[in-house]
Order: sequence, then structure tokens, then C-alpha cells
Amino acid sequence: EIAMTQSPATLSVSPGERVTLSCRASQSVSNKLAWYQRKPGQTPRIFIYNIFTRVTGFPDRFSGSGSGTEFTLTISSLQSEDIAIYYCQQYHNWPYTFGQGTKLEIK
Amino acid sequence: EVQLLESGGGLVQPGGSLRLSCAASGFTFSSYAMAWVRQAPGKSLEWVSAITGSGDTTYYADSVKGRFTISRDNSRNILYLQMNNLRAEDTAIYYCAKDDVGVVNLIDYWGQGTLVTVSS
Repeated sequence: EIAMTQSPATLSVSPGERVTLSCRASQSVSNKLAWYQRKPGQTPRIFIYNIFTRVTGFPDRFSGSGSGTEFTLTISSLQSEDIAIYYCQQYHNWPYTFGQGTKLEIK
Repeated sequence: EVQLLESGGGLVQPGGSLRLSCAASGFTFSSYAMAWVRQAPGKSLEWVSAITGSGDTTYYADSVKGRFTISRDNSRNILYLQMNNLRAEDTAIYYCAKDDVGVVNLIDYWGQGTLVTVSS
């Protein structure tokens, strides 16, 4: 099973700040890496797949990068509506696995 | 509009059984793989089981293999998860999830979840 490790677990940020979240896989997942956003009281929503492809209509301040085992989610300028838990997930090998999530909080 | 409505959760004793159901609407059910994903208290999300659109291929997490069975009725647009020999560690919210294609790939829609509590 491929283990996904996200860091940090929690991040306190101010609106307008640039935010960088990390996700590491225990072995290569090729390009099969996705990011989900989960806002309070809601179910997760996929917004990036294949490392950097953004879902249609999702704000372009979100971008994904990386390769192999190291991946990054960047929010260029944090907005208040971006407060959520962010999960990375690999879909290279079954069982597909999620990271433990990074919780973004407003500073 | 895609809708996924889970039912069948509840309180069960260790060793007991439950069957979860997920009624799907708003899309051509047989064209898409489906999955069950759970979240235990204080834990992250975990893919439990998945099934292709045709139903001919199923997948299970090691933690549930041999105890859980996923199935689907494409004539009635319903996804099932039969859970046997339940353990305390199976306590979680179980989400029905729709994949974005006919094979198991990525989740694009989630149900609201049904709570399963395994306790004596």
C-alpha cells in the first residue's frame, strides 16, 4: 500500500498570503495524484488531478506541481473561502490512498 | 443533478452485520464505477471498496477483504455494501461515491454519508 504523507497538519495563514502544501508518497505514483478540498460541513470536492490539471471552473489561484513522490499544492493568494482541509490522493495503485490532510486556518 | 443517497447505517455489535445501500440518480448509473469511502473518528479518508460500471471487477481494502462485499444493481441504480463480522475499527461515516469514468479512477461526487457504529 502506498502511504501518503501531508505536511503541515495545520497551517494558519492570512488572507492574501501565498500558501504551499506538501504531499509525499512512499513510492512513485507516476502522474496519478489528485487534490480534494473539504470545507466544513461539506463532502470533499476534487479540484486537481494528474498532478496539475485543474477541474473546470475551479479558481486559477490553485496550482499543483511535482512528480514521482513529491507534490505541492500552491494557493497564490489565499481567500477566506479557501479555508478547508486539503487532501492529496494517489490513484496509481489499489488501494488508492489519501493523505491525512492539511487544515488551513485563518490567522 | 447527481444525487447519491446512502442508507442502512446504525449501531451494531462486534461480529454483527449491516448492509449499506446507495440510491443513485441524475446520471447513467451503469456507465460509472462506484465506491465506498469511509472516515473514522479523527482519521483521514479511506477507500473501502470499489466496483466497475459493469460490476465485473471489484476492489477491497486489505482491512475489509473477506468481510465486506460490494455489489450493484444497474437495473435499479443502487450500490450496496454488505458488511459482515464487523469490528470496532469499522466505526466510521461511510460515503457512497461516484467515479468519473467506468473504471475505478477518481471520485467526482459524494453522498452525505451514513454512520456505522460498532460497539457492544
